[in-house]
Amino acid sequence: DIVMTQTPLSLPVTVGQPASLSCRSSQSLVHSDGTTYLNWIQQRPGQPPRLLIYKISNRFSGVPDRFTGSGAGTDFTLQISRVEPEDVGVYYCMQATQFPQTFGQGTKLEIK
Amino acid sequence: QVHLRESGPRLVKPSETLSLTCTVSGDSIISDIFYWAWIRLPPGRGPEWIGSVYYTGSTYYSPSLESRLTMSIDTPKNQFSLTLRSLTAADTAIYYCARDPGGVDIWGQGLQVTVSS
Repeated sequence: DIVMTQTPLSLPVTVGQPASLSCRSSQSLVHSDGTTYLNWIQQRPGQPPRLLIYKISNRFSGVPDRFTGSGAGTDFTLQISRVEPEDVGVYYCMQATQFPQTFGQGTKLEIK
Repeated sequence: QVHLRESGPRLVKPSETLSLTCTVSGDSIISDIFYWAWIRLPPGRGPEWIGSVYYTGSTYYSPSLESRLTMSIDTPKNQFSLTLRSLTAADTAIYYCARDPGGVDIWGQGLQVTVSS
């Protein structure tokens, strides 16, 4: 199985400041079809998970443009340009390039 | 807008079988594009993909759960289901159903399932 490793595990951020979350995979996530199936998921407290970014850098429907995904191969980043109070929660990266799909352990974003 | 809702028991005894159903509304479960997935979130850990089912009945299961797992789909009812046998405390988790176009996109609200005597 592909192991997804996220850093940091905890990220305190001041409202209005940027945040950067990292995700590293144990193998390249480039599929044989040329697509990289790397997604970012947000889980706010008490709510179900919500897709933010798919295929490295595509924002899902309704996701604010302060969220940006980037990366390639085995190293990926989710950036929040200006953190808002509603961004508190746990962020997971996940891969669907190789069976079985696997998730990182999550980065917990909190407000300082 | 597509919505998914999980239903089933919240408390199950060790060694027993868990049966969950996901009802899809807002779109047909018959789709060339989407699989339909089950994912669980154990306490203190990251999410774990359980398996996915296609409208034809084709399935992909997590190797770690395959020996205890059956997934099925009921297209007339727009539902899909999970059966997990021989439960232990390690199966305690929030269980989510989700749409899977190759990496899940839309998730249900989730159902807390506790395995305890």
